[in-house]
Amino acid sequence: EIVMTQSPATLSVSPGERATLSCRASQSVSSNLGWYQQKPGQAPRLLIYGASTRATGIPARFSGSGSGTEFTLTISSLQSEDFAVYYCQQYHNWPRTFGGGTKVEIK
Amino acid sequence: QVQLVQSGAEVKEPGASVKVSCKASGYTFTTYGISWVRQAPGQGLRWMGWISVFNGNTKYPQNLQGRVTMTTDTSTSTAYMELRSLRSDDTADYYCARDLGPSEGLDVWGQGTTVTVSS
Repeated sequence: EIVMTQSPATLSVSPGERATLSCRASQSVSSNLGWYQQKPGQAPRLLIYGASTRATGIPARFSGSGSGTEFTLTISSLQSEDFAVYYCQQYHNWPRTFGGGTKVEIK
Repeated sequence: QVQLVQSGAEVKEPGASVKVSCKASGYTFTTYGISWVRQAPGQGLRWMGWISVFNGNTKYPQNLQGRVTMTTDTSTSTAYMELRSLRSDDTADYYCARDLGPSEGLDVWGQGTTVTVSS
């Protein structure tokens, strides 16, 4: 099983600042990685797939990069609606595992 | 619009079974698979398995093998997830999601179904 490790667990950021979230895979997942956003009481929402492609309707301030074992989600200028928990998921191998999440909170 | 609508909350006793439904609309149901994901209170997301709507093939994680069964009914565009021998640590929100396949992720999610296991 591929283990996905996200860091940091919590990120405190001021509105308008840049946020950088990391996701590391225990073995290569190529570019078969997605990022999801989840707000309290809501289902997750797909932000990025294929490591770097924004899903439909996702603002350009969200960007993904990386391949192999190291991935990054960057939010260029945090808006109030971006404070949430973010998860990465690999779909390179079965089982399709999620990282533990990064909570982005208001500083 | 593409939508997945799940069945309502359930309360079950330990040892019982639960079957959650997920009705799809707005797209050709047989084109994509369905993944199921659960989330225990205050915890992260855990992938529970996948089913190909096209041919019924399934994939489950080792820790749920033998306790979970995923099925679909193409006549009603509905996917089902049955979990047996429920324990208290199965208490969670259960989500279905449209699975676009390798490299594209889970693009549409159901609203979630809360399953509570308690005596």
